[in-house]
Amino acid sequence: NAGVTQTPKFQVLKTGQSMTLQCAQDMNHEYMSWYRQDPGMGLRLIHYSVGAGITDQGEVPNGYNVSRSTTEDFPLRLLSAAPSQTSVYFCASSYSMGPGELFFGEGSRLTVL
Amino acid sequence: GENVEQHPSTLSVQEGDSAVIKCTYSDSASNYFPWYKQELGKRPQLIIDIRSNVGEKKDQRIAVTLNKTAKHFSLHITETQPEDSAVYFCAAMDTGFQKLVFGTGTRLLVSP
Repeated sequence: NAGVTQTPKFQVLKTGQSMTLQCAQDMNHEYMSWYRQDPGMGLRLIHYSVGAGITDQGEVPNGYNVSRSTTEDFPLRLLSAAPSQTSVYFCASSYSMGPGELFFGEGSRLTVL
Repeated sequence: GENVEQHPSTLSVQEGDSAVIKCTYSDSASNYFPWYKQELGKRPQLIIDIRSNVGEKKDQRIAVTLNKTAKHFSLHITETQPEDSAVYFCAAMDTGFQKLVFGTGTRLLVSP
């Protein structure tokens, strides 16, 4: 199993550009989520999904969109990038919502100029 | 919602010493408390977790303790080794929305 796969690993954008971070998992997990990691602020939840067709907002959803058309994929879209969205983004999945191990992807480092 | 505070932000110890990282949480109904380790440039990985019906859990050199009355939990690492150097995150599960809320992280440096 590949686990949780994220692409791209690195990306530089200009303010106002849009892009999609891809996330895929091959563990048949129902729960998938996106976190951003900023220095001194830990991991903050952006959006999450408890199954195909179901998504909801986390702590810091503004400026991001998600969709979940299949169990495997959970892309994160930045509609109009801002410098405040410069961060490291992690996709994570688990068997179900609730107590249990979160499996993280390798992360995507995004810089917005 | 849940709020998790973590201290210290950085911790330096000598190899062989013990290290303790402490977290407090705000939601008295939270029932799940995992710890994640993130090595430099890597993804966070679960190292140990504890549920609210247990006061302490050990796994080799790592232990976690939970004080529900005081709403705090701690990670204890004994006989530290250089490979323990990493950022450690505590987290608590928000029982209302069943989502994990993470602390801000502790950078542990173990010097040989």
